[in-house]
Amino acid sequence: ILNVEQSPQSLHVQEGDSTNFTCSFPSSNFYALHWYRWETAKSPEALFVMTLNGDEKKKGRISATLNTKEGYSYLYIKGSQPEDSATYLCAFGGSGYSTLTFGKGTMLLVSP
Amino acid sequence: SQTIHQWPATLVQPVGSPLSLECTVEGTSNPNLYWYRQAAGRGLQLLFYSVGIGQISSEVPQNLSASRPQDRQFILSSKKLLLSDSGFYLCACQVGQGLGTGELFFGEGSRLTVL
Repeated sequence: ILNVEQSPQSLHVQEGDSTNFTCSFPSSNFYALHWYRWETAKSPEALFVMTLNGDEKKKGRISATLNTKEGYSYLYIKGSQPEDSATYLCAFGGSGYSTLTFGKGTMLLVSP
Repeated sequence: SQTIHQWPATLVQPVGSPLSLECTVEGTSNPNLYWYRQAAGRGLQLLFYSVGIGQISSEVPQNLSASRPQDRQFILSSKKLLLSDSGFYLCACQVGQGLGTGELFFGEGSRLTVL
């Protein structure tokens, strides 16, 4: 059973704060690391799919980094807004013909 | 782009009753299809996936089953529900890439409560 850990479990910040979360995953047999945002009453939506060690991706105020050798990825949100409130999920894809393993997510609440 | 339709959105069923959740995909062909479940306090658990018509892979032993009678239709079923089957069920679609790399597109989910 693969272990994909996300921390913190939940986070409450004020509007304008910058924040970051961590996803830890196995450092062996890495193939891809996904980040999804899941807003209440909506479907999860992909933010990033990362495959290369050292990769950094950005979408607006959200960015992510990847370290496959040590098995972690960070998701950063700069200047959090109330609309960023959601659960952020990471998912690990291993090499070979294997499916994604999801972490339990980090629940972010941004107060105005 | 693909659209995933999932129904019913909400379901309350007694223990021992049957279940059928349906998922259909528009806007693509030959997708990989997935059923996930999120139980209270837990992450997304993969239940079944399918890479083609009639091809079903099960990730966890349980009293649920899945079928893919058509390329863009994926059905989750049970003959007799258990209390532990309660949860939020998501159908997902993946196009054009491997199981680990392809971005997943999700339906809006079905909330099942077994009483």
